[in-house]
Amino acid sequence: DQQVKQNSPSLSVQEGRISILNCDYTNSMFDYFLWYKKYPAEGPTFLISISSIKDKNEDGRFTVFLNKSAKHLSLHIVPSQPGDSAVYFCAASGGYSGAGSYQLTFGKGTKLSVIP
Amino acid sequence: KAGVTQTPRYLIKTRGQQVTLSCSPISGHRSVSWYQQTPGQGLQFLFEYFSETQRNKGNFPGRFSGRQFSNSRSEMNVSTLELGDSALYLCASSLGTTIYFGEGSWLTVV
Repeated sequence: DQQVKQNSPSLSVQEGRISILNCDYTNSMFDYFLWYKKYPAEGPTFLISISSIKDKNEDGRFTVFLNKSAKHLSLHIVPSQPGDSAVYFCAASGGYSGAGSYQLTFGKGTKLSVIP
Repeated sequence: KAGVTQTPRYLIKTRGQQVTLSCSPISGHRSVSWYQQTPGQGLQFLFEYFSETQRNKGNFPGRFSGRQFSNSRSEMNVSTLELGDSALYLCASSLGTTIYFGEGSWLTVV
């Protein structure tokens, strides 16, 4: 049972345009969400996060939107650059899941290709 | 500020052997967690340590174990290796809600 779903395995976007990566979750206990960027055989790099008390968080070219009622979040990258080409993972945490433990549940990832 | 450091980066082991992977968290981070990434299962949580105590454990067999030392450094061990244990093993550290990952240790079991 996949609790975090990224339904698009891949996405191609023209350089300079907006990239929108989507993520859905099923577990109502999730209250903190993170996006990571990952290259093959390397560790995920933290991009941006949002807690469930917010519906938007912005950091430079990256904006994350959270729709709690729909259990949906999205990552917007504007403008997209060729260096953004990577696999993007959505991750969710239940916050304090057992004595302050932060366990991440990941989606399967979306491979973003930004075409020059 | 140094990031999460994992050693070794690459290793090859034979089925039935055991392996130990090491992780040094970001300075000041007391929580260390481990994840396994495989093509089929994606990124999956193994376990988390805080102040030398295992705080949380994922759904992996007992062959997978770990520990944390007083300086927050952590090791994970996999005994009786199986071909299916071939994966990228990622260590992560955190102070709070944001979790930072190391480069990973790529294990190949032959």
